[in-house]
Amino acid sequence: SAVISQKPSRDICQRGTSLTIQCQVDSQVTMMFWYRQQPGQSLTLIATANQGSEATYESGFVIDKFPISRPNLTFSTLTVSNMSPEDSSIYLCSVGATTTGELFFGEGSRLTVL
Amino acid sequence: GQQLNQSPQSMFIQEGEDVSMNCTSSSIFNTWLWYKQDPGEGPVLLIALYKAGELTSNGRLTAQFGITRKDSFLNISASIPSDVGIYFCAIIQGAQKLVFGQGTRLTINP
Repeated sequence: SAVISQKPSRDICQRGTSLTIQCQVDSQVTMMFWYRQQPGQSLTLIATANQGSEATYESGFVIDKFPISRPNLTFSTLTVSNMSPEDSSIYLCSVGATTTGELFFGEGSRLTVL
Repeated sequence: GQQLNQSPQSMFIQEGEDVSMNCTSSSIFNTWLWYKQDPGEGPVLLIALYKAGELTSNGRLTAQFGITRKDSFLNISASIPSDVGIYFCAIIQGAQKLVFGQGTRLTINP
């Protein structure tokens, strides 16, 4: 298992601003993922954060909107840029073995954009 | 992308009742997973199924990997208040990506 800490746990943001979410894991992990959960919806993968290289983004998500950093094997950040109310969601960091499906999730960062 | 059809979307039951939910897909998968999300938390893996026909239990939870490899169900017996939450099925797409169903929101009346 892994203990994942996310900051902030929640925030209220103004339209047009950007916010960076941090994800810290208590052990070194190869794969880190960022998911979005819109209100009342399921989880959608935004991107895979790769250590030492650019993140791999899923269809519908772009680096300009969701820049990701992965400076080492225990830490990653996701920035939500130029926010609009449609970006109001829970953003979740996860780690684990996709070969077995055993992902561990942080508590999520709940963003509300006004 | 792959679409998982999870049903029901929501359930309102009395404490002590059994619960059943399922997930179907038009494609074949080698792994079916069931996660639970408590309010204000991230999802937690409940059961992982890796073999067609496999029936696995975790306490009061039982899940089965359909023989066609296109479906799975999750049963909860004798529900208790802490079973409240959202249950998600999930599959592994390609080598790296988990795809989640729409979720089943369980509400229990004491």
